[in-house]
Amino acid sequence: GDSVTQMEGPVTLSEEAFLTINCTYTATGYPSLFWYVQYPGEGLQLLLKATKADDKGSNKGFEATYRKETTSFHLEKGSVQVSDSAVYFCALRGGGADGLTFGKGTHLIIQP
Amino acid sequence: EAGVTQFPSHSVIEKGQTVTLRCDPISGHDNLYWYRRVMGKEIKFLLHFVKESKQDESGMPNNRFLAERTGGTYSTLKVQPAELEDSGVYFCASSQVRGWENLFFGSGTQLSVL
Repeated sequence: GDSVTQMEGPVTLSEEAFLTINCTYTATGYPSLFWYVQYPGEGLQLLLKATKADDKGSNKGFEATYRKETTSFHLEKGSVQVSDSAVYFCALRGGGADGLTFGKGTHLIIQP
Repeated sequence: EAGVTQFPSHSVIEKGQTVTLRCDPISGHDNLYWYRRVMGKEIKFLLHFVKESKQDESGMPNNRFLAERTGGTYSTLKVQPAELEDSGVYFCASSQVRGWENLFFGSGTQLSVL
């Protein structure tokens, strides 16, 4: 079945550092790919998405590119802020599926 | 506009007891989803309602879990009897249309079965 693998944290960085959170996937067909973020005490929110190979999703300074050849969707940000501290989930939606398939989540901690 | 509301936020029960979780979706959202995150593992899809009908319940772990959405508004997820392995965070999400870009999540119910 479909699966998502992402680096597990916690990942601790200093403010203004460069961020990469790796995500790879296994799926049949051509899934849509997502990054969700969960801030403390809140529900998951869609951060960005990509629906086909080579698409780049971007939002709030975060980016991720759908790489079919490496089955990856790594999340990047050039300069992180303390307010980016949260749990980040990589996810996919396979063709015809009702539900999303999530990774385990990466806890990101940004120190001032 | 109110978001997706779940309660209780936390529930601690003993093995063998019954627990009912409730989700109030965003008003007007026909699609309602339940997910579960067991500690240290992935968030797993449980089921999907369209209005009051179960569209997909392939993720429900076993027959101790019963989800309902009478009237197509709020939904309940009952676990009876609860087992230790049922502990985790139960998330509810809703969307106006069946599509991922409009999926809104609640903050979850933390269930602990002792």
